[in-house]
Amino acid sequence: EAQVTQNPRYLITVTGKKLTVTCSQNMNHEYMSWYRQDPGLGLRQIYYSMNVEVTDKGDVPEGYKVSRKEKRNFPLILESPSPNQTSLYFCASSLPTGGPYNEQFFGPGTRLTVL
Amino acid sequence: GIQVEQSPPDLILQEGANSTLRCNFSDSVNNLQWFHQNPWGQLINLFYIPSGTKQNGRLSATTVATERYSLLYISSSQTTDSGVYFCAVGGATGTASKLTFGTGTRLQVTL
Repeated sequence: EAQVTQNPRYLITVTGKKLTVTCSQNMNHEYMSWYRQDPGLGLRQIYYSMNVEVTDKGDVPEGYKVSRKEKRNFPLILESPSPNQTSLYFCASSLPTGGPYNEQFFGPGTRLTVL
Repeated sequence: GIQVEQSPPDLILQEGANSTLRCNFSDSVNNLQWFHQNPWGQLINLFYIPSGTKQNGRLSATTVATERYSLLYISSSQTTDSGVYFCAVGGATGTASKLTFGTGTRLQVTL
């Protein structure tokens, strides 16, 4: 089944404790992206990657890191989480823009609480 | 950047009623998608529709790209249709494939 998977789905952690949210897709998509969703602010892009070893900042990259060592994986790293990073996080993937079809597919979401 | 406005912000329907949700956007787009966010927070792809009309069961969507709007039609609504509906667009210029989301229409379907 074609899908985007995220782990963990739920996480409660404490300020300053490094964490990684994994994202994997099995559709051979070049483009991957992370979004966060907050009440009243909607979904905002954190980072994106056009392909392996190519990443760039989205609208709200502060406090996050990403890496793209393999095409299928795009982990989101919080080196020192803070309470303002409490949010619902989504990973997405698609074929690149300019192709005939670049529908984005989203993972199930990771609900993160930082105490 | 591109602006996306959705209306209405909230909608309450009785089961069996029909509804139309609207999405206006401020610039040319190469991607437009409709999503349903269910009560568990998952984003469900409904339509990929940068232009034209599509139908899937009780749902259909139309995008008029030249006039910068899209409509999502829900017919014979069911309680399982409840949730938040998002329109998201990808601009024809700027960051490739980035989706800009509207603020959503919250739909509640009652018995």
